[in-house]
Amino acid sequence: DQQVKQNSPSLSVQEGRISILNCDYTNSMFDYFLWYKKYPAEGPTFLISISSIKDKNEDGRFTVFLNKSAKHLSLHIVPSQPGDSAVYFCAALFWNNNDMRFGAGTRLTVKP
Amino acid sequence: DAGVIQSPRHEVTEMGQEVTLRCKPISGHDYLFWYRQTMMRGLELLIYFNNNVPIDDSGMPEDRFSAKMPNASFSNLKIQPSEPRDSAVYFCASSTGQGGNTGELFFGEGSRLTVL
Repeated sequence: DQQVKQNSPSLSVQEGRISILNCDYTNSMFDYFLWYKKYPAEGPTFLISISSIKDKNEDGRFTVFLNKSAKHLSLHIVPSQPGDSAVYFCAALFWNNNDMRFGAGTRLTVKP
Repeated sequence: DAGVIQSPRHEVTEMGQEVTLRCKPISGHDYLFWYRQTMMRGLELLIYFNNNVPIDDSGMPEDRFSAKMPNASFSNLKIQPSEPRDSAVYFCASSTGQGGNTGELFFGEGSRLTVL
């Protein structure tokens, strides 16, 4: 049972434009949501997170939005840069046991 | 800090052979996770430990898979016997416990397993 879903396997964006990566989840009890970025031949690295009690968190070019009623979160990258090309994983966490569940990932390609 | 260290980085083996993947978590982290990445399913949680104790192994696909954490600085994941469908990248990750942190995981570089 996949509790975290990323329905778009890939996304292509022009440099300088906005990239929007989407994620849906099924369990309303998740406490935290995170985005990880993964380059080829490397492990995923943490990018940004948001608590379930907030609806927005911003860090430089990266902003995560959470819509709890829709069980949906999104990652916005503005402006997109070629170095942002990577696979982005959405993840959700139960606070009481540190159990983290990941989506299948979205491959972002930013074209120069 | 060296980060999470996994070995081997690449393993090619024949069907039926035993495979052992190793992980050294970041010192001081009391959670350790094993994930498997495939094209179809993305990152799947296989098992995780807290203070060396297995907490949830419901993601382990079959009895052919086992994982141990004999001490705070080492864990291994074994597949015996291996099958071609086990081919994937296996990631180890560690994290600190609760108490203010967001549960961020620190991943190793992964072990790419190919079973012929």
